[in-house]
Amino acid sequence: QSVLTQPPSVSGAPGQRVTISCTGSSSNIGAGYDVHWYQQLPGTAPKLLIYSNNNRPSGVPDRFSGSKSGTSASLAITGLQAEDEADYYCQSYDSSLSGVIFGGGTKVTVL
Amino acid sequence: EVQLVESGGGLVQPGRSLRLSCVASGFTFDDYAMHWVRQVPGKGLEWVSGISWNSGRIDYVDSVKGRFTISRDNAKNSLYLQMNSLRVEDTALYYCVKDLSIAVSDYGKDVWGQGTTVTVSS
Repeated sequence: QSVLTQPPSVSGAPGQRVTISCTGSSSNIGAGYDVHWYQQLPGTAPKLLIYSNNNRPSGVPDRFSGSKSGTSASLAITGLQAEDEADYYCQSYDSSLSGVIFGGGTKVTVL
Repeated sequence: EVQLVESGGGLVQPGRSLRLSCVASGFTFDDYAMHWVRQVPGKGLEWVSGISWNSGRIDYVDSVKGRFTISRDNAKNSLYLQMNSLRVEDTALYYCVKDLSIAVSDYGKDVWGQGTTVTVSS
């Protein structure tokens, strides 16, 4: 069981908006640690999608956005495209565990 | 081109040892913390260990403490993971990962290798 909780799956039709939640606690997200998001396409290594809550690395489309509030964070994908079908993971740091933590991952399906 | 290339994976019996290596290129290796992250096929990501730029700070996930040792050689642009007393549950794809910062902390991880597979089985 992951320290950060994500829904196992979300789905949407092309062009729709989907959101993925990432729920933590007072020892990680709630303590002020940043949240990052990764996209893992089938058979490939994860790719940094959003860093420090709401920043996009160069080359990431602005259809992807992140936010953080309290003990939770979320990733939004607007204008959903077939190529967005992948697994998405949130990541932060936990002071009680003294280590990096990941969410369990969310599979996004484009209907 | 920024690149991380892992090696050293393989099939090993429970209780035996294995040493993973990762060679970095395309960036100033000693400017960044580095990590090992593993993934069981079909499952999620699990952070294993991280090391700061100068090896001054090292952290491990509880399940590998006392069995795994992370190290780095900045002169060789290399990261290592010495895995002892291997268990069946250590079976996974192991990724070498670059941090955005010099410290093992809550910064993002912006470069990932393709991974090396470790299989622990009798």
